[in-house]
Amino acid sequence: GNSVTQMEGPVTLSEEAFLTINCTYTATGYPSLFWYVQYPGEGLQLLLKATKADDKGSNKGFEATYRKETTSFHLEKGSVQVSDSAVYFCALRPNSGYSTLTFGKGTMLLVSP
Amino acid sequence: DAGVIQSPRHEVTEMGQEVTLRCKPISGHNSLFWYRQTMMRGLELLIYFNNNVPIDDSGMPEDRFSAKMPNASFSTLKIQPSEPRDSAVYFCASSTAQGNTGELFFGEGSRLTVL
Repeated sequence: GNSVTQMEGPVTLSEEAFLTINCTYTATGYPSLFWYVQYPGEGLQLLLKATKADDKGSNKGFEATYRKETTSFHLEKGSVQVSDSAVYFCALRPNSGYSTLTFGKGTMLLVSP
Repeated sequence: DAGVIQSPRHEVTEMGQEVTLRCKPISGHNSLFWYRQTMMRGLELLIYFNNNVPIDDSGMPEDRFSAKMPNASFSTLKIQPSEPRDSAVYFCASSTAQGNTGELFFGEGSRLTVL
């Protein structure tokens, strides 16, 4: 079946540090890949997505590249801010018929001033 | 534009009581999803509807859980009887597309505590 594996958190960084959150997936075919972010007390919201191999999704300084050969979609940001503190979820959506998102367990990011 | 609206935001109840969670999807969205979030299990899909019809309810934990979508603008998730292990945040999400590029829009969640 489909599954998403993320690095466990929390990830603790100082402001302006470089961020990487690893994500790998298992799926048949060529799913679409997503990163969602959840701020405290809120629902999830889409951060970025990529729909085919080698696509790069980007938003708010975050980037992730769809790597089919390594089945990965790692999230990166060059310089994090305190306001980036949140839980980040990697997810996939199969490209077949009725389908929904399969989420990883989430990685909490804590950024200190 | 209004997003996905869930109610109640917080619910505290005693074991054995009936709980009903409500969701209003974004107007025009034809897919609706119920997720449950806990520390132990993360986000779990409970059920999803397309055009008001349940498509996959394999994530519904047991017969105590039921979900309905009587029309395109309203869905309920009911737990009867509730148990302490049902304590979680329940999210409703909606989407406009079935294709693999469809983004899910989440509500703010209903935090349920069963004592």
